[in-house]
Amino acid sequence: EAQVTQNPRYLITVTGKKLTVTCSQNMNHEYMSWYRQDPGLGLRQIYYSMNVEVTDKGDVPEGYKVSRKEKRNFPLILESPSPNQTSLYFCASGLGQMNTEAFFGQGTRLTVV
Amino acid sequence: QKEVEQNSGPLSVPEGAIASLNCTYSDRGSQSFFWYRQYSGKSPELIMSIYSNGDKEDGRFTAQLNKASQHVSLLIRDSQPSDSATYLCAVKGPSGTYKYIFGTGTRLKVLA
Repeated sequence: EAQVTQNPRYLITVTGKKLTVTCSQNMNHEYMSWYRQDPGLGLRQIYYSMNVEVTDKGDVPEGYKVSRKEKRNFPLILESPSPNQTSLYFCASGLGQMNTEAFFGQGTRLTVV
Repeated sequence: QKEVEQNSGPLSVPEGAIASLNCTYSDRGSQSFFWYRQYSGKSPELIMSIYSNGDKEDGRFTAQLNKASQHVSLLIRDSQPSDSATYLCAVKGPSGTYKYIFGTGTRLKVLA
């Protein structure tokens, strides 16, 4: 089954404790991206990657890191989480230029206390 | 100023009617336009994409693009209660960039 898998689905953590949210896709997609979704603000792009070792900033990259060492994986790293990073996070992947955002993961609900 | 604007709704339509969802965008260089449906507590799922002016139909869904007025719309014919969801408009930037801007979504309620 074609899918984008995020882990964990739910996470409560404390301020300053480094964490990683994993994202993996089994569709051989070149493009992957991370979003956060907040009430009233909608989905905002954090980082995206066009291929292995190629990443670029979206609209809200501050406080986040990403890496793309393998085509299928695109982890999101919060080196020092803060309460304002409490949000619902989505990973997405797509084939190429046009239909690039075809598949979203199930989401990760992160709470930073 | 928001770059992709949608009316938050809710937009209420009776079952069987046509639901019309609208979206405006600010970047004239935008190349690609997408409509996603998001049920409460779920992830967005792609419904339609459109890249050139005019209409594009897929089943009960029709996407319309007017680059001159910077307007994108989604028509849902024969609306069903199962269409009740939030509809997100997304715009991809100019060629060479893969930045996507999403609107905040329009909540649609189809009344049985």
